[in-house]
Amino acid sequence: DAKTTQPPSMDCAEGRAANLPCNHSTISGNEYVYWYRQIHSQGPQYIIHGLKNNETNEMASLIITEDRKSSTLILPHATLRDTAVYYCIVRVAGANNLFFGTGTRLTVIP
Amino acid sequence: DAGVTQSPTHLIKTRGQQVTLRCSPKSGHDTVSWYQQALGQGPQFIFQYYEEEERQRGNFPDRFSGHQFPNYSSELNVNALLLGDSALYLCASSSLAGGLYTGELFFGEGSRLTVL
Repeated sequence: DAKTTQPPSMDCAEGRAANLPCNHSTISGNEYVYWYRQIHSQGPQYIIHGLKNNETNEMASLIITEDRKSSTLILPHATLRDTAVYYCIVRVAGANNLFFGTGTRLTVIP
Repeated sequence: DAGVTQSPTHLIKTRGQQVTLRCSPKSGHDTVSWYQQALGQGPQFIFQYYEEEERQRGNFPDRFSGHQFPNYSSELNVNALLLGDSALYLCASSSLAGGLYTGELFFGEGSRLTVL
């Protein structure tokens, strides 16, 4: 699986959009970009995934660059409950195991 | 609909002992994976069970073993515990459909193991 690079930490003001970047320059054509988050003392929670098109769901939006070498997770209106570690993972289509890095610790500030 | 449930939530063992952790997958899921998460690190894949067999394994020694039961629940066993085995152990479930895993993994809250 391709390796991902994320900033170790970010802050975001409550109510503002949180934009979390991820680099995956060695991604292969059959690898998806997945985002999970882990709130303190809980198990990771799925957020969103995509292959090459931008995706949006009730939690977030995922923007993938045209060359697929990077992506951005957008939380449109961050709340205090969005404070968590966010993991960007590339995953081969159909593969069940995930390879987590150390993620980005997002702190939403009141 | 209950999600992934794990037990116990916390436990303390001493070096050399053995531990068994348990996981019940989300309803409708047939595959269980186990992850180890050391403090400050991301989860690391241990192994995965499907149809009561170990299908994939990460870079963990044979001291880590598992089992899956006919009802899809699973156990993780760790023998000869080391101090470095102290971690949060996470169980994740998913569904294999047509030979490809579909959808996201659902994780439990984890079992926190402390080895003294």
